[in-house]
Amino acid sequence: DTGVSQNPRHKITKRGQNVTFRCDPISEHNRLYWYRQTLGQGPEFLTYFQNEAQLEKSRLLSDRFSAERPKGSFSTLEIQRTEQGDSAMYLCASSLATGDYGYTFGSGTRLTVV
Amino acid sequence: GQQLNQSPQSMFIQEGEDVSMNCTSSSIFNTWLWYKQDPGEGPVLLIALYKAGELTSNGRLTAQFGITRKDSFLNISASIPSDVGIYFCAGTSGTYKYIFGTGTRLKVLA
Repeated sequence: DTGVSQNPRHKITKRGQNVTFRCDPISEHNRLYWYRQTLGQGPEFLTYFQNEAQLEKSRLLSDRFSAERPKGSFSTLEIQRTEQGDSAMYLCASSLATGDYGYTFGSGTRLTVV
Repeated sequence: GQQLNQSPQSMFIQEGEDVSMNCTSSSIFNTWLWYKQDPGEGPVLLIALYKAGELTSNGRLTAQFGITRKDSFLNISASIPSDVGIYFCAGTSGTYKYIFGTGTRLKVLA
C-alpha cells in the first residue's frame, strides 16, 4: 500500500466553476477525513466518514461543499460555484477505527480560484 | 475555526542545536499528536501520545503529554538541515476529530 492518494495535486479554476477532488485512503482504514489548510495555518476539520457513513460535518462545510464515500473506499469532495475564499490546500486523511488514532494524510490538493 | 496555540511561531537555529516547542489548549485532550509538514506536502505523523505525563521518543524527537492534559511539548536533539519544516501539534478529546495548532516553522542554518 502506497499510503493516502489524492488527485489532482493542483487545480486552478475560475470563480463560479465546480471542482471535484478524489481521495483514496489506505485500503484497511475504515475512517476517512477531509481537512482544509489555508496559508500559514494548521489544518481545519471539514468532515469525517466511517465506512460509507458521513458522521460529522463542520460548519466550515457550506452548502456549496459536498463529500461522498459511496462504497466505503475512495471519497470525493465537490465544491460548487467556487469562490476566491475557497483557495486552500484540501487534505484527506485516513485511520483505523480502533487502536492508534493517528491519521495518515495524503499530499493534498492545492486549489487556486482565480 | 479553533486552533491550538503553538510557541514559538518560528525559529532559526544552528545545525547541531537542540530545539524545543510547545502547544497549549484551553480544553483537556486525551490524545496528542505531533506532525511535520514540508512545503507542498501533507503532514507526516511523528509521535502520538495517549496518557498524561507520557514521554515518547522517535529517534532524535521526544514528545511529552503534559500532566494537565492541556499542553504538549516536542524536543528535537542535535538538529540537522532536513529538520526544516513546519511542526504541528494536534489534540482530541474524543477518538477521531483533531484540532491542529498554528504551527512552528523551523529553519536550520548549516
